[in-house]
Amino acid sequence: KAGVTQTPRYLIKTRGQQVTLSCSPISGHRSVSWYQQTPGQGLQFLFEYFSETQRNKGNFPGRFSGRQFSNSRSEMNVSTLELGDSALYLCASSFRDRGGTDTQYFGPGTRLTVL
Amino acid sequence: DAKTTQPNSMESNEEEPVHLPCNHSTISGTDYIHWYRQLPSQGPEYVIHGLTSNVNNRMASLAIAEDRKSSTLILHRATLRDAAVYYCSLAGGTSYGKLTFGQGTILTVHP
Repeated sequence: KAGVTQTPRYLIKTRGQQVTLSCSPISGHRSVSWYQQTPGQGLQFLFEYFSETQRNKGNFPGRFSGRQFSNSRSEMNVSTLELGDSALYLCASSFRDRGGTDTQYFGPGTRLTVL
Repeated sequence: DAKTTQPNSMESNEEEPVHLPCNHSTISGTDYIHWYRQLPSQGPEYVIHGLTSNVNNRMASLAIAEDRKSSTLILHRATLRDAAVYYCSLAGGTSYGKLTFGQGTILTVHP
């Protein structure tokens, strides 16, 4: 099976702009989670989507939003970019195993730089 | 959210076993313990997970303390390709799609 793919891999934006990142999950996975990774804060959970519905959300401002399509592909959007939004944005798709926990498979990430 | 605490860094020699510890003293009864590793310029890679019992797979073993307040990831024979940042994370059974990561342990493997 193909792994999780994320596009674009690298992005440079300026403050105040908005950006949309895309994630294609592993075939058959219906859950997609998004994370932000920075040197200072580490890996932080943004939100999770399942069957086009947001089921879980982390502690990020409303400028960060996402959606999921019927084919499980997901996008996240960041509006009014700030310098502090510079980070590696990771997408992970998962399935729930018989034990009741999600094994997540991560994509390579999108490196966003805000100037 | 329950937190995890790991040593900042560890070193090992190739072909030797490596024991990576993790403390999670505030773990709840429904939290699973997951381990991931991240190589430079890549996303995290799943290694292993468990709830109460010790677990083995082709990559590693996971030893979970009886009180579940700590766990140890065991790499039986470290190779240079195992050099990475190892994250111990908790995933609640009802917390959909959310992994709570600690700061991770940088593992250096010497030839």
